[in-house]
Amino acid sequence: GNSVTQMEGPVTLSEEAFLTINCTYTATGYPSLFWYVQYPGEGLQLLLKATKADDKGSNKGFEATYRKETTSFHLEKGSVQVSDSAVYFCALFNTNAGKSTFGDGTTLTVKP
Amino acid sequence: EAGVTQFPSHSVIEKGQTVTLRCDPISGHDNLYWYRRVMGKEIKFLLHFVKESKQDESGMPNNRFLAERTGGTYSTLKVQPAELEDSGVYFCASSRGGTAVVSYEQYFGPGTRLTVT
Repeated sequence: GNSVTQMEGPVTLSEEAFLTINCTYTATGYPSLFWYVQYPGEGLQLLLKATKADDKGSNKGFEATYRKETTSFHLEKGSVQVSDSAVYFCALFNTNAGKSTFGDGTTLTVKP
Repeated sequence: EAGVTQFPSHSVIEKGQTVTLRCDPISGHDNLYWYRRVMGKEIKFLLHFVKESKQDESGMPNNRFLAERTGGTYSTLKVQPAELEDSGVYFCASSRGGTAVVSYEQYFGPGTRLTVT
């Protein structure tokens, strides 16, 4: 079956620090990979995506590269801001399964 | 284009009561999904509608949960009777459908936070 393993949190960083949130997956076929973000009091928003191997998704300074050889999709940002404080979810969508599979979520807190 | 909307945003009910959650997908989206996040764990799939038909309901936890999508538009998820372990955030998502890569990008609603006391 499909599964997503996400770096456990919570993660606390100082402003301008480098962020990495690890994500690895298990899936049959060739899933598409996503990072979603949930800001306090808001719903899930798509942050970035990659649909095939070696694709790099990027948005708002965040990046993640679809690594088929290591089955990973790690989220990175070079310099985090207080406004990046949120819960981040790694997910895959497998057309065979027809649904998304999520990781547990990682809570990021950025302090000034 | 309006996004996915969910109602209510928050519901507090007592154990044994009934609650109905509503989801309005993006207009024209054939696919509608329900997910939930319980106890701060992962977001888990509940079920998937294609238009008015249940495509996959393998994630529904038990027969206390009933989902409908009359006319292939909005959907409701009823929990009857509610138990303490049903507390969590219930998300709805929709997507266009079809076989193109872009067709399965899911758009999520803000979620309904359900608290059962």
